[in-house]
Amino acid sequence: EDKVVQSPLSLVVHEGDTVTLNCSYEVTNFRSLLWYKQEKKAPTFLFMLTSSGIEKKSGRLSSILDKKELFSILNITATQTGDSAVYLCAVLNTGTASKLTFGTGTRLQVTL
Amino acid sequence: IAGITQAPTSQILAAGRRMTLRCTQDMRHNAMYWYRQDLGLGLRLIHYSNTAGTTGKGEVPDGYSVSRANTDDFPLTLASAVPSQTSVYFCASSMAVWRDTQYFGPGTRLTVL
Repeated sequence: EDKVVQSPLSLVVHEGDTVTLNCSYEVTNFRSLLWYKQEKKAPTFLFMLTSSGIEKKSGRLSSILDKKELFSILNITATQTGDSAVYLCAVLNTGTASKLTFGTGTRLQVTL
Repeated sequence: IAGITQAPTSQILAAGRRMTLRCTQDMRHNAMYWYRQDLGLGLRLIHYSNTAGTTGKGEVPDGYSVSRANTDDFPLTLASAVPSQTSVYFCASSMAVWRDTQYFGPGTRLTVL
């Protein structure tokens, strides 16, 4: 059965800290890994990673994929209170039974 | 309309009643999806559609039905609601099924009593 596990489950940091969120997976026919940020409502897309070792960056956020060790990390530097959210990792597989499998998320709280 | 809209925003429903959750997108995406999100279980796929006129079952399809009469609309129907269907429901869409980033609607919070 396909599985996506995120850690930690929750995290509280001070504004300005750097955080690393982890996502490990076990899926058949891996195609890509996606990160989403979920605040009060809909998940919003952050990154899609397909190739190992290539860092994706967007402002203070960055992410990298390791397809050999089956994990990804999401880094947030110089955290701000607006980064407080649940961060979701999802893995897309492909084939006759394609699907997107989500982890349960990491809840990040950034305090002043 | 910009993106994906869902209606209603929230609903309280008596068990046994029929309910349709509406989803409309204006991005001309071919693929659409319905997920439910429950505490501790993450997002789980209910049904999906890779193009107008076709639908497929996801991980948790029992008790739900969908239709895709046109590109823009993808309603989700609960024929006879049960309390275990209390959840937050998200509609999503992507350009092509399972190949592209999915964009999510704002969600519908449904409570079945």
